[in-house]
Amino acid sequence: GQSLEQPSEVTAVEGAIVQINCTYQTSGFYGLSWYQQHDGGAPTFLSYNGLDGLEETGRFSSFLSRSDSYGYLLLQELQMKDSASYFCAVRDPNQAGTALIFGKGTTLSVSS
Amino acid sequence: EAQVTQNPRYLITVTGKKLTVTCSQNMNHEYMSWYRQDPGLGLRQIYYSMNVEVTDKGDVPEGYKVSRKEKRNFPLILESPSPNQTSLYFCASSLIGGPSSYEQYFGPGTRLTVT
Repeated sequence: GQSLEQPSEVTAVEGAIVQINCTYQTSGFYGLSWYQQHDGGAPTFLSYNGLDGLEETGRFSSFLSRSDSYGYLLLQELQMKDSASYFCAVRDPNQAGTALIFGKGTTLSVSS
Repeated sequence: EAQVTQNPRYLITVTGKKLTVTCSQNMNHEYMSWYRQDPGLGLRQIYYSMNVEVTDKGDVPEGYKVSRKEKRNFPLILESPSPNQTSLYFCASSLIGGPSSYEQYFGPGTRLTVT
């Protein structure tokens, strides 16, 4: 089957750097994506990694190592507004379409 | 503005009273999906649709129905709601295939309480 593991909670202070890890097990791998969800809000897409390496988008970066079945989301210069849940997701190889399997999420709490 | 809309945003109902949650997207996406989100369980897929008149079950389809008569709309139907369907529901859409398929657009969510 497919599974994704990520820490349930991470805490940090404003201005710091935090890394949220995601390890996955899937029978067919096509890439790893990350979503952010503020409390009570909708998940929003942050990034996608289809190949090994680092993808940078402003303060956020995402990394993938396919050989290690591992990826991470790196958040720099943390701000209070970054307090949210972060989900990694992979394609469901058992579904013909575009279904994503989401990890259970990591709750990031940023304090001043 | 590209968006997915859902209605209603909040709903309190009683056991057995049929309800429909509407979902509409304006991005001409082929793929649409319904998820429920419960504490500690993450996002679980209920049903999905690859295109008009093409729907299939996700991980937790029991007690739900869907239809896709138009490309933009994908309503979720609870014929006889039960308290265990109390949850936060999200509709999502995306393109099919390639990296774009990893970017799903989510609606604002519908918080359903069944008493």
